[in-house]
Amino acid sequence: SQKIEQNSEALNIQEGKTATLTCNYTNYSPAYLQWYRQDPGRGPVFLLLIRENEKEKRKERLKVTFDTTLKQSLFHITASQPADSATYLCALVLYGQNFVFGPGTRLSVLP
Amino acid sequence: KAGVTQTPRYLIKTRGQQVTLSCSPISGHRSVSWYQQTPGQGLQFLFEYFSETQRNKGNFPGRFSGRQFSNSRSEMNVSTLELGDSALYLCASSPISRELDEQFFGPGTRLTVL
Repeated sequence: SQKIEQNSEALNIQEGKTATLTCNYTNYSPAYLQWYRQDPGRGPVFLLLIRENEKEKRKERLKVTFDTTLKQSLFHITASQPADSATYLCALVLYGQNFVFGPGTRLSVLP
Repeated sequence: KAGVTQTPRYLIKTRGQQVTLSCSPISGHRSVSWYQQTPGQGLQFLFEYFSETQRNKGNFPGRFSGRQFSNSRSEMNVSTLELGDSALYLCASSPISRELDEQFFGPGTRLTVL
């Protein structure tokens, strides 16, 4: 069956450390993968998009990798700050333009 | 530039009623998508409109419908409401393509069905 998972429901890390969030999927063949941030009571905010033929994408303190063999994307936030605390969602963009979102990981960066 | 706006922000209805939600995209954006978010199912895609035409549709029953107007504003309608329709309904807009362009989400409409 088709499934998309994010490593854990919640992740706590110390300020200044690198947060690594995982998105795994089975029985999907995405064309792209997107990462979003969502704060309580608000809509998701787009962060990064990576194509299936790209291995890595960076934007400021953010880095995303995409391994279509492992069917996995890793999302890294370096030098994390308490302001990075939020829920992070990965989304598979399938051929045919359908979107499938992961359940999200709630990140807490502790001062 | 003003962001995506959704009205109303909160809505309470009873089973069997119908509801219409409204979304105004960012000026110049032609693609509008609708999503349902619940604690149990997460964020699920409902449908996407582009230039007044439904371009893509998720796996929701026919009770969920939508439309887009010539000014790109969009409405979503749910008929014969069920308790399970209680959710946060999010609208997102993008210039042309939500796959390649950044999607901008609105604050959502919180629907409670009693």
